[in-house]
Amino acid sequence: NAGVTQTPKFRVLKTGQSMTLLCAQDMNHEYMYWYRQDPGMGLRLIHYSVGEGTTAKGEVPDGYNVSRLKKQNFLLGLESAAPSQTSVYFCASSYRQDRGRIWTFGSGTRLTVV
Amino acid sequence: DAKTTQPPSMDCAEGRAANLPCNHSTISGNEYVYWYRQIHSQGPQYIIHGLKNNETNEMASLIITEDRKSSTLILPHATLRDTAVYYCIVSPRDTGNQFYFGTGTSLTVIP
Repeated sequence: NAGVTQTPKFRVLKTGQSMTLLCAQDMNHEYMYWYRQDPGMGLRLIHYSVGEGTTAKGEVPDGYNVSRLKKQNFLLGLESAAPSQTSVYFCASSYRQDRGRIWTFGSGTRLTVV
Repeated sequence: DAKTTQPPSMDCAEGRAANLPCNHSTISGNEYVYWYRQIHSQGPQYIIHGLKNNETNEMASLIITEDRKSSTLILPHATLRDTAVYYCIVSPRDTGNQFYFGTGTSLTVIP
């Protein structure tokens, strides 16, 4: 049981380049999320998905697109990277239990845009 | 969604109990209090959560006041490995898209 796996772990992009971050979970969770974390700040929600084939915007969605073609995968795309998107990106998934919901996070992807 | 207020930083001596406070004065009746921590910018790790009763697990205890407007996370015997940023988060029971992080409390455990 690997939990939430993010690839790649590190990436350097040039301004204007595109890339896709992959998140995979093997826990059969319905919900998946993408967050970003800037230095000295907490995590901010970019996009989320409540199930296969669905996506929705979070707090800071501009400049990103997402897709959830399979239940276990959630992709985050940057079509034209900007230096302001330099950040650490975390993927998470969640499930609902009798007592609330539990979120599980991946180990992060460190992205630098130069 | 309710917001939380936490002190930006705290110190604790190794082996002593660490008591991390959190204010959530606008919490709603259907909102849980969650605690997560983040060590060295790794992914956040679940610690504990509760609705209105006190909770305990192998990692920590959660004390929620009777009016639910504040809570305290207790690490009973802090070790150096507990040095981390601790986040108190309030989230509705039935909604999975409202899980917002503040800036948390940076706990330093001192040898």
